[in-house]
Amino acid sequence: GDSVTQMEGPVTLSEEAFLTINCTYTATGYPSLFWYVQYPGEGLQLLLKATKADDKGSNKGFEATYRKETTSFHLEKGSVQVSDSAVYFCALLSSNTGKLIFGQGTTLQVKP
Amino acid sequence: GAGVSQSPSNKVTEKGKDVELRCDPISGHTALYWYRQSLGQGLEFLIYFQGNSAPDKSGLPSDRFSAERTGGSVSTLTIQRTQQEDSAVYLCASSLATGRVSLEQYFGPGTRLTVT
Repeated sequence: GDSVTQMEGPVTLSEEAFLTINCTYTATGYPSLFWYVQYPGEGLQLLLKATKADDKGSNKGFEATYRKETTSFHLEKGSVQVSDSAVYFCALLSSNTGKLIFGQGTTLQVKP
Repeated sequence: GAGVSQSPSNKVTEKGKDVELRCDPISGHTALYWYRQSLGQGLEFLIYFQGNSAPDKSGLPSDRFSAERTGGSVSTLTIQRTQQEDSAVYLCASSLATGRVSLEQYFGPGTRLTVT
């Protein structure tokens, strides 16, 4: 079945460091790909998305490119801030079932 | 406009009791989803509604779990004879849906269920 694998955390970075959180997927058909973020004490929020191969999603300085050849959707940010500390979830939306399949989540902690 | 709302925000119940969790989707969203977020299992899909019908119940963990949706809007997730392993945050999401292809899902704040 469809699945998402993302790098284990926690990831601890200093402010202004470069961030990469790896995400790879297995899916039949042509899924859409998402990154969701969960700030401490809050619900899941959509961070960015890409709906087809080579699309780049971007928001709040974060970017991810849908790479069909490597089945990846890695999240990147050039300069993280303390306020980016949160749990990040990679997810795919199955084109067949409409079901969101999540990765296990990666905790990011940014220190001043 | 209003987002997805869920109630209660927190629920503590004794093992063996039944609980009902409520979800109010975004107005106009025809698709509604229930997920469970727990420490050991991450985020798991439970059930999906398109209108009032549930074409995919594959994620419900046991027959103690059921869900309904009436009027194409509010949904209730019911857990009967709760067990300690049911303790988790239950998340509801809604989306516009066209045919079998659903669009991005918007999540509610969740209901934290603790079974003692």
